[in-house]
Amino acid sequence: NAGVTQTPKFQVLKTGQSMTLQCAQDMNHNSMYWYRQDPGMGLRLIYYSASEGTTDKGEVPNGYNVSRLNKREFSLRLESAAPSQTSVYFCASSGGDRGYQPQHFGDGTRLSIL
Amino acid sequence: AQTVTQSQPEMSVQEAETVTLSCTYDTSESDYYLFWYKQPPSRQMILVIRQEAYKQQNATENRFSVNFQKAAKSFSLKISDSQLGDAAMYFCAYRSAYNAGNMLTFGGGTRLMVKP
Repeated sequence: NAGVTQTPKFQVLKTGQSMTLQCAQDMNHNSMYWYRQDPGMGLRLIYYSASEGTTDKGEVPNGYNVSRLNKREFSLRLESAAPSQTSVYFCASSGGDRGYQPQHFGDGTRLSIL
Repeated sequence: AQTVTQSQPEMSVQEAETVTLSCTYDTSESDYYLFWYKQPPSRQMILVIRQEAYKQQNATENRFSVNFQKAAKSFSLKISDSQLGDAAMYFCAYRSAYNAGNMLTFGGGTRLMVKP
């Protein structure tokens, strides 16, 4: 039972490089999310997709773009990486429609930008 | 916008004893959901317990229970008979019932240490 799968698990980039973080879920969930977690802090929402074909900005969207490729996959792209984007990135999905359903998280991607 | 505050950056408990982690939130909404997530060193985010705002009865999951005080906007987590495996970061999270995106707003977390 894979749940939410994120790739890669670790990545080191140089400032200005681009990168796409991949996320896939096998739970047939409508909603998917990208969060970042900085040291000693809670998760902050970058972008979300309430359903296939829609995406919306979260709390900290600057410097990122997303694509909801299909119902299963939701990717996060850094076009020109900056050291301030060094963080752990989590993808999550949720099946409820305004419901009680919790979000299910991937194992995270640790991204370092030099 | 809603905010979630966890005022205890770190807590410590002796194995087999009870500990309570605090969480307060700010909202003008009447319908919402509250969650506690556990994040061990492995970095996984694991759901511990959840509460619907319209349910007066406090949620319980085995050794984990909450004290939900809606008027005070407080949602504390009680861990009974603490075990070494409970050592982790704990995050409180809020979800509005009115937003179709079902996004979570997280608190800053509490690091729980369990002493043998």
